[in-house]
Amino acid sequence: NAGVTQTPKFRILKIGQSMTLQCTQDMNHNYMYWYRQDPGMGLKLIYYSVGAGITDKGEVPNGYNVSRSTTEDFPLRLELAAPSQTSVYFCASSYSTAGSYEQYFGPGTRLTVT
Amino acid sequence: TQLLEQSPQFLSIQEGENLTVYCNSSSVFSSLQWYRQEPGEGPVLLVTVVTGGEVKKLKRLTFQFGDARKDSSLHITAAQPGDTGLYLCAGTPWGRGSARQLTFGSGTQLTVLP
Repeated sequence: NAGVTQTPKFRILKIGQSMTLQCTQDMNHNYMYWYRQDPGMGLKLIYYSVGAGITDKGEVPNGYNVSRSTTEDFPLRLELAAPSQTSVYFCASSYSTAGSYEQYFGPGTRLTVT
Repeated sequence: TQLLEQSPQFLSIQEGENLTVYCNSSSVFSSLQWYRQEPGEGPVLLVTVVTGGEVKKLKRLTFQFGDARKDSSLHITAAQPGDTGLYLCAGTPWGRGSARQLTFGSGTQLTVLP
């Protein structure tokens, strides 16, 4: 049981390039989330999904896109990378049952845009 | 945007001392969580509080949810070097619990010196 896995762990992009951050969970969670964490800051929600085929914007969605074709996978797409997208990106998942609150986080992807 | 403000931002103490970290908001939250994050890793849940006035104890850690559900505190007794880390509070805003979206505070970086 690997939990939430993210790839790659590190990536350097040039301005204007595109990339996809991968996220997979093996806990059969319905809910999945993408956050970014800037230095000295908490996490800000980019996008979330309540199930396969259903996604919605979070607090800071501009410059990003997501898809959810399966329960397990929730990739985050960056189009036309900008220096402002330099950050650490965390994927998380959680159960959808009543009383379940914990979000399980992956180890993060550290992205630098230069 | 429902903000969660944490204080202090940084805290450096000697082993054996007690400390309290605060998490405050002007908004009401249906539940509030505390996470601990170590360098290079994702946050890991410590506790969830869901009832106004609730107090939960986890060994040397005591968590309290304010009566009005707008604030929380984390108290550590006899801190140890292993308690070092970034402590994050996160809340589900009232009325937005269906997708368990979390609003994170900016964190308290705790360093416990031996």
